[in-house]
Amino acid sequence: GQNIDQPTEMTATEGAIVQINCTYQTSGFNGLFWYQQHAGEAPTFLSYNVLDGLEEKGRFSSFLSRSKGYSYLLLKELQMKDSASYLCAVASGGSYIPTFGRGTSLIVHP
Amino acid sequence: EAQVTQNPRYLITVTGKKLTVTCSQNMNHEYMSWYRQDPGLGLRQIYYSMNVEVTDKGDVPEGYKVSRKEKRNFPLILESPSPNQTSLYFCASGRQRGSYEQYFGPGTRLTVT
Repeated sequence: GQNIDQPTEMTATEGAIVQINCTYQTSGFNGLFWYQQHAGEAPTFLSYNVLDGLEEKGRFSSFLSRSKGYSYLLLKELQMKDSASYLCAVASGGSYIPTFGRGTSLIVHP
Repeated sequence: EAQVTQNPRYLITVTGKKLTVTCSQNMNHEYMSWYRQDPGLGLRQIYYSMNVEVTDKGDVPEGYKVSRKEKRNFPLILESPSPNQTSLYFCASGRQRGSYEQYFGPGTRLTVT
């Protein structure tokens, strides 16, 4: 099984930078995903990391350290529309099918 | 337009009345799955299918059935729904190799009274 831990809720100010952490314990690691989910909507894919390091995609970046079982999602130049739940998910055990964490609800205020 | 569709989007039913939630994708994806999402518990996988006629249990399969007779369709069947199956259900699809991104349907909100 897997143990995925991320903060339940975070708040940040419009225009700022926020870092959402995710720690995991698993065997046979096959990659870590981040998804964004607005209230009442479907999750949408943000990033996939399988090697250590930082992957940058516009305002969003995702970092992975396999030895530490740790990832973070970095959101820059926050906008009100970034208020959403951010789901960390880990694939392991020879499968690329991810198990999802409980998600971090991010509230961006003016 | 590439998409995953689910029907119905909203359903209120009574305990014990069999129901089916349909899921269809037009991206020729091999992999499809069903999740339920409950407050404080996150997304939990019910069943998944790696290809036609191949299905496997996820983390919470009890009380559910699935079938994969065609590549594009993956219906979720509740033979005898109970109130603890009241939830938000998502269908998802993806490729087996290459991009491991999953595409989610819009969700089905089910209430069992």
